[in-house]
Amino acid sequence: NAGVTQTPKFRVLKTGQSMTLLCAQDMNHEYMYWYRQDPGMGLRLIHYSVGEGTTAKGEVPDGYNVSRLKKQNFLLGLESAAPSQTSVYFCASTPGRGGTDTQYFGPGTRLTVL
Amino acid sequence: GIQVEQSPPDLILQEGANSTLRCNFSDSVNNLQWFHQNPWGQLINLFYIPSGTKQNGRLSATTVATERYSLLYISSSQTTDSGVYFCAVAAGTASKLTFGTGTRLQVTL
Repeated sequence: NAGVTQTPKFRVLKTGQSMTLLCAQDMNHEYMYWYRQDPGMGLRLIHYSVGEGTTAKGEVPDGYNVSRLKKQNFLLGLESAAPSQTSVYFCASTPGRGGTDTQYFGPGTRLTVL
Repeated sequence: GIQVEQSPPDLILQEGANSTLRCNFSDSVNNLQWFHQNPWGQLINLFYIPSGTKQNGRLSATTVATERYSLLYISSSQTTDSGVYFCAVAAGTASKLTFGTGTRLQVTL
């Protein structure tokens, strides 16, 4: 099993450009999450999903959109990137639905917005 | 929302020393996890421990839910233990974790 993978690993954008980050998991987990981590801080939840076709807002959702068209994939979109979105983005998944709530994290995507 | 405080913020140990990291949280939780973020940025789950005590090798953790704190013990520290240790908690459904700001640990030879 590859676990949780993220694409791309690094990206540099100019202000106003758009991009999509892909998260994939092969553990058949129900719940998936997108977090961002800024220097010296813990992770903050952007959006999450409790199953295929569902999404919900987390703590810092503004400027981001998500989609979960397939159970194994969770996409994070930036429609018009801003320098404040420079961060490291982590995806995570957990079995959910009564299973263990241990969260498994991907390796992260480092995004710089100029 | 739930507030999570971790202490100490920074810790420097010599190899072989023991340490205790603390996590205080402001409300009742049904999910508490400890993570280690290594120097390359990878987050590894150490414990899922909403209550009670667990041990895994040189690491152990105790959560006293009624008093709203958790402790992570590291014994006989090694240089590979260096990194940032995060406590994260959740209440209700969907396991939406709130992270503390972490304890940065450096283990020296």
